[in-house]
Amino acid sequence: NAGVMQNPRHLVRRRGQEARLRCSPMKGHSHVYWYRQLPEEGLKFMVYLQKENIIDESGMPKERFSAEFPKEGPSILRIQQVVRGDSAAYFCASSPSGGYQPQHFGDGTRLSIL
Amino acid sequence: AQTVTQSQPEMSVQEAETVTLSCTYDTSENNYYLFWYKQPPSRQMILVIRQEAYKQQNATENRFSVNFQKAAKSFSLKISDSQLGDTAMYFCAFMKHEGSQGNLIFGKGTKLSVKP
Repeated sequence: NAGVMQNPRHLVRRRGQEARLRCSPMKGHSHVYWYRQLPEEGLKFMVYLQKENIIDESGMPKERFSAEFPKEGPSILRIQQVVRGDSAAYFCASSPSGGYQPQHFGDGTRLSIL
Repeated sequence: AQTVTQSQPEMSVQEAETVTLSCTYDTSENNYYLFWYKQPPSRQMILVIRQEAYKQQNATENRFSVNFQKAAKSFSLKISDSQLGDTAMYFCAFMKHEGSQGNLIFGKGTKLSVKP
């Protein structure tokens, strides 16, 4: 049973470009969560999605960031017009349902902004 | 708002010894869940152990056990018979029982080094 798959593993962008990070949840999981980890910090919650629905986006910056989890295909975290401060590791986690279900994490995408 | 504090940025332990990592949290909730995650140099986040706040019995998973003190809002992790493969960052995390149920709140982590 494949785990949570994130790609790319590393992504390099220049300031002003767009970054797209993909996450395929574990088989049978319909809930996806995105977290950001800055250097020397713990993970910070960004957004929680179910298929075609955003459940909680209280941790998402108000501008330039968006997330989706379509009916078919992976969840996408999109960052427009990237800035140096967006450099971080972005982790995706999935669970079979909401509530108390352990979240299984992917290996993360390390985003570097030149 | 809930907060999670890990007061030990770094710790080290000799192989086969026992080490305890500290975690405290602040919440006004009565029902919630607590977790310890491990992040080795490979950067993968691995669930180590979990505890439901309404359960008085401390959770155990093989060499890993917790000391959950609800009144003190303390949730420490004990690793027995430490192994070289236990070298990693360890993160304590909190989740509310209801409401925003996907929102894991993490501490800043403790870097554990197991020495041969």
